[in-house]
Amino acid sequence: EAGVAQSPRYKIIEKRQSVAFWCNPISGHATLYWYQQILGQGPKLLIQFQNNGVVDDSQLPKDRFSAERLKGVDSTLKIQPAKLEDSAVYLCASGLGDDTEAFFGQGTRLTVV
Amino acid sequence: AQSVSQHNHHVILSEAASLELGCNYSYGGTVNLFWYVQYPGQHLQLLLKYFSGDPLVKGIKGFEAEFIKSKFSFNLRKPSVQWSDTAEYFCAVNDGSARQLTFGSGTQLTVLP
Repeated sequence: EAGVAQSPRYKIIEKRQSVAFWCNPISGHATLYWYQQILGQGPKLLIQFQNNGVVDDSQLPKDRFSAERLKGVDSTLKIQPAKLEDSAVYLCASGLGDDTEAFFGQGTRLTVV
Repeated sequence: AQSVSQHNHHVILSEAASLELGCNYSYGGTVNLFWYVQYPGQHLQLLLKYFSGDPLVKGIKGFEAEFIKSKFSFNLRKPSVQWSDTAEYFCAVNDGSARQLTFGSGTQLTVLP
């Protein structure tokens, strides 16, 4: 089966610019996650969707980060404006439900200069 | 909030050595436990998972993990490592109320040929 697709793979932007990442989950997966993985750390959950509704966004810096999942399928994560500390790999994952495993995409490596 | 601790940040072994990576979590209720692996240049992949039943679970590539509830631990083991096991290993916990997958900081395993 096709895996979780993310684009772009790499992005370099200057601070204060905006950036958007796209994720297409595995077909039929109702749950979609966005994680931020800073170098040397484990992935940190930013936001979790169940279909097109937000389940958990408690760790999403809402003053600059936003995410949407229109129609309950693919999703976009936006950062505006970016800061140096946003440099990280942004991972998208999907799953069938809360208590099942998550399948991860390749991630988008963001460098803010 | 739940937390996951992986005490070994970097482990270096020779081929055929035995491996044990520690993982402790903080949540006292019912948990689902996972080990994910990230090979160089690849996405996070599920190695094994525990939901219920036999606390000794077997995963892919000869890995196994033991859930010890009294110690809040889920250590990963392999009797004989190979060079191809060089990767970063992440322990993760999902508890029903939080409905999110919380990751540890990861352990980089380097296997010398």
